[in-house]
Amino acid sequence: DAGVIQSPRHEVTEMGQEVTLRCKPISGHNSLFWYRQTMMRGLELLIYFNNNVPIDDSGMPEDRFSAKMPNASFSTLKIQPSEPRDSAVYFCASSQITEAFFGQGTRLTVV
Amino acid sequence: DAKTTQPPSMDCAEGRAANLPCNHSTISGNEYVYWYRQIHSQGPQYIIHGLKNNETNEMASLIITEDRKSSTLILPHATLRDTAVYYCIVSKVNNAGNMLTFGGGTRLMVKP
Repeated sequence: DAGVIQSPRHEVTEMGQEVTLRCKPISGHNSLFWYRQTMMRGLELLIYFNNNVPIDDSGMPEDRFSAKMPNASFSTLKIQPSEPRDSAVYFCASSQITEAFFGQGTRLTVV
Repeated sequence: DAKTTQPPSMDCAEGRAANLPCNHSTISGNEYVYWYRQIHSQGPQYIIHGLKNNETNEMASLIITEDRKSSTLILPHATLRDTAVYYCIVSKVNNAGNMLTFGGGTRLMVKP
């Protein structure tokens, strides 16, 4: 398996624009996580899916953020409208019960 | 999930054992201890996990005290490539998977 695949690897966008981050989890994994990492706040869990159903979205910062998992092989994290404070590295991870595997992340810069 | 406390940074000489401590005094009986590390700009990488017994794999050893209130991750022969931030996480495991909440971690610097 190629591991958790995230796209794009880098995204630069203007404030106010919509941003969509994509994640393909490892085949057979039933849990998927979205994290955000900044220098100030470290690694923050945004949302967690199990069997394609959102289990805990208490980490989603505000209504501008939304996440979907339409099937077991794909998830998106959308920010609309984006703001400069959303600049961060966004990681997706998947797991099957215990060990979680992380993607390489998407570095988002909002100018 | 229980909180963990780790020293913010540690140094280790190359070739020596690195012993990274973690306190988790409020851990409950069904919570596991996990260790992950993050090498600069990469996604976190799983190292090892345990419940009660000590564990060893090809990367490291995990020593959990009998009362489970603390643990130590041991890298037996640290190399420069082991320089990273190491996270100790306590989490339940159930059929819905396990939610990992990362703290500040320990920044390990392996020096020549």
